Amino acid sequence: KAGVTQTPRYLIKTRGQQVTLSCSPISGHRSVSWYQQTPGQGLQFLFEYFSETQRNKGNFPGRFSGRQFSNSRSEMNVSTLELGDSALYLCASSLEPIVASGTEAFFGQGTRLTVV
Amino acid sequence: AQKVTQAQTEISVVEKEDVTLDCVYETRDTTYYLFWYKQPPSGELVFLIRRNSFDEQNEISGRYSWNFQKSTSSFNFTITASQVVDSAVYFCALSEPYGGGTSYGKLTFGQGTILTVHP
Repeated sequence: KAGVTQTPRYLIKTRGQQVTLSCSPISGHRSVSWYQQTPGQGLQFLFEYFSETQRNKGNFPGRFSGRQFSNSRSEMNVSTLELGDSALYLCASSLEPIVASGTEAFFGQGTRLTVV
Repeated sequence: AQKVTQAQTEISVVEKEDVTLDCVYETRDTTYYLFWYKQPPSGELVFLIRRNSFDEQNEISGRYSWNFQKSTSSFNFTITASQVVDSAVYFCALSEPYGGGTSYGKLTFGQGTILTVHP
């Protein structure tokens, strides 16, 4: 069965622009969560969606937003990009919300975003 | 204070040595979950184990074992007879469904331990 697919794999954007990242979960999984990984801040939880509803969110500014569609695919949007947004963005899919149920999550290979 | 602290930033061992990765956590929730994930060079995180706060049984899976002690808020991970393929970054994580009293649940990762196993 296909794993978690994130597109694009690599992205270069200019400060001030916005960006949309996509995540297709494993078939049958209704929960998608997003993470930011940087050398300085490490791995941080952004938010998670379950059945098109945001269930939990981390401590990120409102420039970071997301949504989930009826087919469980999810998008993450970052507006007004800053240099500090350069990171590896990972998404994970799971049968149930990971924060509430502690369920096993399957991760994609990530999108490497570089802001110049 | 860090919610999840992994004491070792980097560990280097020779193949067949045993190695223990430490994880100490902090939470006010009575229900919580602890995880260990492995991140190989390819980048994706691989789930290794999940423990809930009510289950203090230790677990062994092949060469991997985990020791969960609520009394010391620790969830340590041991690899027995390490192999080169074990080289990766290992993350301990804490899920707090009730967010320690805040409005949102929280998921916090430790800073990670870089494990290098030399042949």
